[in-house]
Amino acid sequence: SQTIHQWPATLVQPVGSPLSLECTVEGTSNPNLYWYRQAAGRGLQLLFYSVGIGQISSEVPQNLSASRPQDRQFILSSKKLLLSDSGFYLCALTASGNTIYFGEGSWLTVV
Amino acid sequence: KQEVTQIPAALSVPEGENLVLNCSFTDSAIYNLQWFRQDPGKGLTSLLLIQSSQREQTSGRLNASLDKSSGRSTLYIAASQPGDSATYLCAVTNNYGQNFVFGPGTRLSVLP
Repeated sequence: SQTIHQWPATLVQPVGSPLSLECTVEGTSNPNLYWYRQAAGRGLQLLFYSVGIGQISSEVPQNLSASRPQDRQFILSSKKLLLSDSGFYLCALTASGNTIYFGEGSWLTVV
Repeated sequence: KQEVTQIPAALSVPEGENLVLNCSFTDSAIYNLQWFRQDPGKGLTSLLLIQSSQREQTSGRLNASLDKSSGRSTLYIAASQPGDSATYLCAVTNNYGQNFVFGPGTRLSVLP
């Protein structure tokens, strides 16, 4: 079965600092990978999705970027964080089936 | 652009009650609809998936229905228990099955 690992689980970063959130998956090959953000009291917002190595689609304009250097690795980055980047970030995957699986999430607080 | 809404935003019920959560979507051209559970500070767990050609799916005390033409789905929870307390989200995918659009969720509290 598929497993999604996200780290770090929690981080507090100052405004203007860089960001790197990592997601690795196990138990599947060539998955579609996703980064979502969930702000307090709001639904999930799709940030990026990837259908393969080096293939990234961005859903919203922002100061975040994503990369997929390996089939089972998905990285969310920022060069300079904004206060509005605070939130709960979730990595997810879909494989051969139609179900989407989520990691445990990373809490980001920008201060 | 697909939009998903959920009513109510929050719900508090005594243990043992049957309850219904509602999900609406604006574009009926969906591939499937899923219901998820999210515990505080955790990721999402898939509960039920309904393909666009299906009318309902059942798992234990959970039953989800889909009326694609009217853009609605309901999640029915029978004999609610305190362990059911969580946020329940619905999501629809487009005809390519890749992009998931989520509703804001319904926060359920089941009181012992």
